[in-house]
Amino acid sequence: DVKVTQSSRYLVKRTGEKVFLECVQDMDHENMFWYRQDPGLGLRLIYFSYDVKMKEKGDIPEGYSVSREKKERFSLILESASTNQTSMYLCASSLTAGVGDTQYFGPGTRLTVL
Amino acid sequence: GQNIDQPTEMTATEGAIVQINCTYQTSGFNGLFWYQQHAGEAPTFLSYNVLDGLEEKGRFSSFLSRSKGYSYLLLKELQMKDSASYLCAVRGPTDSWGKLQFGAGTQVVVTP
Repeated sequence: DVKVTQSSRYLVKRTGEKVFLECVQDMDHENMFWYRQDPGLGLRLIYFSYDVKMKEKGDIPEGYSVSREKKERFSLILESASTNQTSMYLCASSLTAGVGDTQYFGPGTRLTVL
Repeated sequence: GQNIDQPTEMTATEGAIVQINCTYQTSGFNGLFWYQQHAGEAPTFLSYNVLDGLEEKGRFSSFLSRSKGYSYLLLKELQMKDSASYLCAVRGPTDSWGKLQFGAGTQVVVTP
């Protein structure tokens, strides 16, 4: 079974802090994704990566950056956290970008910025 | 871009059938996914349609009409554990690196 893990289930940070969210997958997947999920808005793509050190902006990249130094690990960075970044953050991975390739999700990190 | 619509909430009785509709407008289409998400948990894959027609998987079936930009997920013989949010997601053009565009989700409430 594919396993996607995220470093924290719950996180509370203060405005202006730098925040790191870590995601690890154990199935040698090429693609990794970061989403945020808000009520009524569904999942929105922040950034994704299709290879080590490669990244592409998603629909809402402002205020975020990412890092993928190793294939299995994809980090989301909030350079200076703000209250409007309070959300559920979900990481996902897929084997390739092939048609039909399923995205597998981690359990999510609920981030609260005070 | 993609615009994906699905109802916000549906309620049904245990043992009944519920159909969750999803309509989409897209500039490129390479398949439609359905995911199930229980409260506080990760979305899990249910089904994938890329060609028109019905795909059946046990109690769950998914239908696609590409010409109408329409899909539905059919849940039969509802069980209490089926209470969850159901997410419709469309995969974009071939050059989009497998990105998915998600609807806001349909909360299904199963009552005894």
